[in-house]
Amino acid sequence: GAGVSQSPSNKVTEKGKDVELRCDPISGHTALYWYRQSLGQGLEFLIYFQGNSAPDKSGLPSDRFSAERTGGSVSTLTIQRTQQEDSAVYLCASSQTGGFYNEQFFGPGTRLTVL
Amino acid sequence: AQRVTQPEKLLSVFKGAPVELKCNYSYSGSPELFWYVQYSRQRLQLLLRHISRESIKGFTADLNKGETSFHLKKPFAQEEDSAMYYCALSKGAQKLVFGQGTRLTINP
Repeated sequence: GAGVSQSPSNKVTEKGKDVELRCDPISGHTALYWYRQSLGQGLEFLIYFQGNSAPDKSGLPSDRFSAERTGGSVSTLTIQRTQQEDSAVYLCASSQTGGFYNEQFFGPGTRLTVL
Repeated sequence: AQRVTQPEKLLSVFKGAPVELKCNYSYSGSPELFWYVQYSRQRLQLLLRHISRESIKGFTADLNKGETSFHLKKPFAQEEDSAMYYCALSKGAQKLVFGQGTRLTINP
């Protein structure tokens, strides 16, 4: 079946603008994760969803970052008032149930550039 | 704090030579460890996990709790092994904590 998909694949925005990044997980996967991949910081966890609730949002770097998941499926990561340090590749992953025995499948990422 | 360290940012070996990518971790509980790989222009994917005790594409990794290490090894490197490799630790059975990654280049 189809893997995890993300849109857009690339996003260029101006400092101060808001952006929305979308993730479509593998059908039937209840767990969804957002990570950020940036130069010098490697891969950082942002937030974890189990169904529509987010039991762990400890990785969100500031209150400018928020995420939601609806219908136990699609998730949107919103960054308000973007800053240049937000430039990174944002990765989404999903897994069947969220336990560490379940493999996380990654999407292709959204490359965000803040000018 | 949970941490994964990959001391080598870059590693270059010749085809047919052995390769070892180092990974050390710090974790107060019983860790679950993984190696993920990202080939050029492909998405990040699981290579192997500690709990499976398997060999994938000729790679193996042994968890050494005494040395808190989970090094990735392959006896004979192939050109198609060139990629970015990430060691990761599972925290709280949910999120992954990644190392900084090692870019492996196999020279012909």
